Amino acid sequence: EVHLVESGGGLVQPGRSLRLSCAASGFTFDDYAMHWVRQAPGKGLEWVSGITWNSEIIEYADSVKGRFTISRDNAENSLYLQMNRLRPEDTALYYCARLNYDTSGSTHHFDSWGQGTLVTVSS
Amino acid sequence: DIQMTQSPSSLSASVGDRVTITCRASQSISTSLNWYQQKPGKAPNLLIFAASNLQSGVPSRFSGSGSGTDFTLTISILQPEDFATYYCQQSYSNPYTFGQGTNLDIK
Repeated sequence: EVHLVESGGGLVQPGRSLRLSCAASGFTFDDYAMHWVRQAPGKGLEWVSGITWNSEIIEYADSVKGRFTISRDNAENSLYLQMNRLRPEDTALYYCARLNYDTSGSTHHFDSWGQGTLVTVSS
Repeated sequence: DIQMTQSPSSLSASVGDRVTITCRASQSISTSLNWYQQKPGKAPNLLIFAASNLQSGVPSRFSGSGSGTDFTLTISILQPEDFATYYCQQSYSNPYTFGQGTNLDIK
């Protein structure tokens, strides 16, 4: 069974940093691209960042570009999100999600999600 | 960025009803459209991928259709456990954008 467990969230002051982790189990981690998706309290879902299986392709939402860095350690089956220069609008529940493909390989979807880790940016 | 617009934003229905939620993309996305269900305090759960493919383990009362810019999610016979928020999401191009959500509650 696929299992994704996020950690590292907490209360942090604006301008400070935080590093999120996502521990993966139950599947071959380095077969899959992984992503971070966030959800502000009472709001909808917002894609944050994604990384291919070999870290060759990395993408970010404009809202976090230049401040956040996604990375992975396939030997440790772990995904990370380094968040610098945090802002109050970064307050959200951060989910890691596995990207999977349809059988033709032409479309993709988030087929597994963790339970999320809450980041609160406030003075 | 591709904008995704769901309608309605909220919907009240009864057990046994047939419910349809629509999602419109700001440009053509072929069939790169996914649907997720989210219950309070829980992570999203994939229901439909590639517009019309039922995810393994999802009840057959859920179905999806559409291509290009217009898509629908249909729940054929609403069950008590289906009251939740539903999101569409395009995977045609980055950034992967979600609709604003449709909150389905009990009438």
